[in-house]
Amino acid sequence: GAVVSQHPSRVICKSGTSVKIECRSLDFQATTMFWYRQFPKQSLMLMATSNEGSKATYEQGVEKDKFLINHASLTLSTLTVTSAHPEDSSFYICSAEWTDNEQFFGPGTRLTVL
Amino acid sequence: AQKVTQAQTEISVVEKEDVTLDCVYETRDTTYYLFWYKQPPSGELVFLIRRNSFDEQNEISGRYSWNFQKSTSSFNFTITASQVVDSAVYFCALILFGNEKLTFGTGTRLTIIP
Repeated sequence: GAVVSQHPSRVICKSGTSVKIECRSLDFQATTMFWYRQFPKQSLMLMATSNEGSKATYEQGVEKDKFLINHASLTLSTLTVTSAHPEDSSFYICSAEWTDNEQFFGPGTRLTVL
Repeated sequence: AQKVTQAQTEISVVEKEDVTLDCVYETRDTTYYLFWYKQPPSGELVFLIRRNSFDEQNEISGRYSWNFQKSTSSFNFTITASQVVDSAVYFCALILFGNEKLTFGTGTRLTIIP
């Protein structure tokens, strides 16, 4: 099956700093990637849809200036949490669309902002 | 708008018992896919099954089986002879044909007691 990786798997940072999370499709090209956020004991909430070569589409209520998404190639999308604060602490999961409404998920990145 | 309901927040069963996880969905569209994912404590989403709206056949894969009933808009998941390794959060999800966005249910936390 298709493999999606995320890096880092876990990051701890100080309040006010920016953190970049990478999502890579390892064995296929993905025109579209997705970023989700998951709070403890809650479901996945779609943050944005990332399309290669164009601007990301953000879901309602997601601050695009805070969560910068770049999809520079067909195998890489990045999410940068700018000026992170403790309330941004969460589990961030990316997925890559393979074909026909099928997404493969990365292993997730646990962000802790002190 | 689509909606996926997993009414069971948490379930605990003793090992070797059978357990059914319920999933009820809402959509006005007639063409869609339904999914089940497993999220173990590590956080990574594990794909279990995809079913399209045209295929109401039940499916069995080892100890796992799925019952899809369009008449009741349900896509229930049964684990027979449960094992401790089945302990995880299970998510049901829906995506419309031609639409990229997955709609997740709130998840069911399954604990298998040894």
